[in-house]
Amino acid sequence: QSVLTQPPSVSGAPGQRVTISCTGSSSNIGAFYDVHWYQQFPGTAPKLLIYGNNNRPSGVPDRFSGSRSDTSASLTITGLQAEDEADYYCQSYDTSLSGSVFGGGTKLTVL
Amino acid sequence: QVTLRESGPALVKPTQTLTLTCTFSGFSLRTSGMCVSWIRQPPGKALEWLALIDWDDDKYYSISLKTRLTISKDTSKNQVVLRMTNMDPVDTATYYCARLTGSQPYSGMDVWGQGTTVTVSS
Repeated sequence: QSVLTQPPSVSGAPGQRVTISCTGSSSNIGAFYDVHWYQQFPGTAPKLLIYGNNNRPSGVPDRFSGSRSDTSASLTITGLQAEDEADYYCQSYDTSLSGSVFGGGTKLTVL
Repeated sequence: QVTLRESGPALVKPTQTLTLTCTFSGFSLRTSGMCVSWIRQPPGKALEWLALIDWDDDKYYSISLKTRLTISKDTSKNQVVLRMTNMDPVDTATYYCARLTGSQPYSGMDVWGQGTTVTVSS
């Protein structure tokens, strides 16, 4: 059971918009710790997609955006493309656990 | 260019101690603000953060694995070493090291190694 809760799967058609939620608690996201998002393709290492809640590293398309509110965060992908099909993970810090925590991951399927 | 590469045994026996090495380039752990974490991912499962070491030799551990983990650094070799004692088949996973984007434990991880797969079996 992950400290951060994500839906196991989401799907969308090419061109659509999808949102992946990440629900935490008052000891992590609700304590104003930053949320980061990673994209992972099968057999490869995770790639940083969003850092500090809503910042994109160089090279990440602006179709990807992040937000945080209260004890939750969201990753939104607009203009969905087939190449976006991957697993997505959120990450934050938990003050009760004194360490980083990840969500359980969400598999995005492009229909 | 920042790179990290994990190395270590592919197979360990139950109860043995696992030693993994992360060799990096493009930055130095002598530099203020630099941090490296270890993360693992069992087959088909989610990422799990394990440990972090910073430029000032401060160390942070997963609370659930704290008694089994030791993280250390060798700045002259640009390496971070993770030791995990009393290995069990449930520790079978791909182990990654990654550099943090900032100087705080709650920073994201912007550069990851390719990962090394460790199987625990007798």
